[in-house]
Amino acid sequence: EVQLVESGGGLVQPGRSLRLSCAASGFTFDDYAMHWVRQAPGKGLEWVSGISWNTGGIGYADSVKGRFTISRDNAKNSLYLQMNSLRPEDTALYYCAKPNVLAAAGSRGAFDIWGQGTMVTVSS
Amino acid sequence: AIRMTQSPSSFSASTGDRVTITCRASQGISSYLAWYQQKPGKAPKLLIYAASTLQSGVPSRFSGSGSGTDFTLTISCLQSEDFATYYCQQYYNYPWGFGPGTKVDIK
Repeated sequence: EVQLVESGGGLVQPGRSLRLSCAASGFTFDDYAMHWVRQAPGKGLEWVSGISWNTGGIGYADSVKGRFTISRDNAKNSLYLQMNSLRPEDTALYYCAKPNVLAAAGSRGAFDIWGQGTMVTVSS
Repeated sequence: AIRMTQSPSSFSASTGDRVTITCRASQGISSYLAWYQQKPGKAPKLLIYAASTLQSGVPSRFSGSGSGTDFTLTISCLQSEDFATYYCQQYYNYPWGFGPGTKVDIK
């Protein structure tokens, strides 16, 4: 079964850091780019960041650029999001998501597999 | 960054209705457009990708059309399980982005 399981969320004070992880299983992890998407409570979806299969291509939303860093460890089938200088507006459920296109076919793909999300709350 | 808009933001409908949701990109995105359905407390579910390709397992009452900047999602005969929020998403250029969502509830 194809599965993504996020972890690492929690309550953190403004200005502090947190590292999210996403464990992938059931597919060949390094055949795909991977992404993070977040959803603030009661709000819509926001794309956060994406990384190519070999880390050669990375993108960030303007709202997190310079504060968040995406990375991956293909040997561990894992995706990460290092979040620094956290702000209250970063409070959200963070999903990792897999695109439906093999990396060999290009970097653009819709998200066919989502994790259950990990909640990050930034508050003093 | 490419800005995505959707209309309407919400509406009420009855089972059996034909409904159409519109998504517009602030610049051309070819056909790199997806539609998702999300129900409360659940992760989004992919319905349509490449603007008009139905994701495996999704009922054929869902269809998508458009290219460039203007796109539509149509549900031909609304079922009770279709009451949800729908999002479009462009995956043409970084930063990728979602529309604000369209909530479909029961009339």
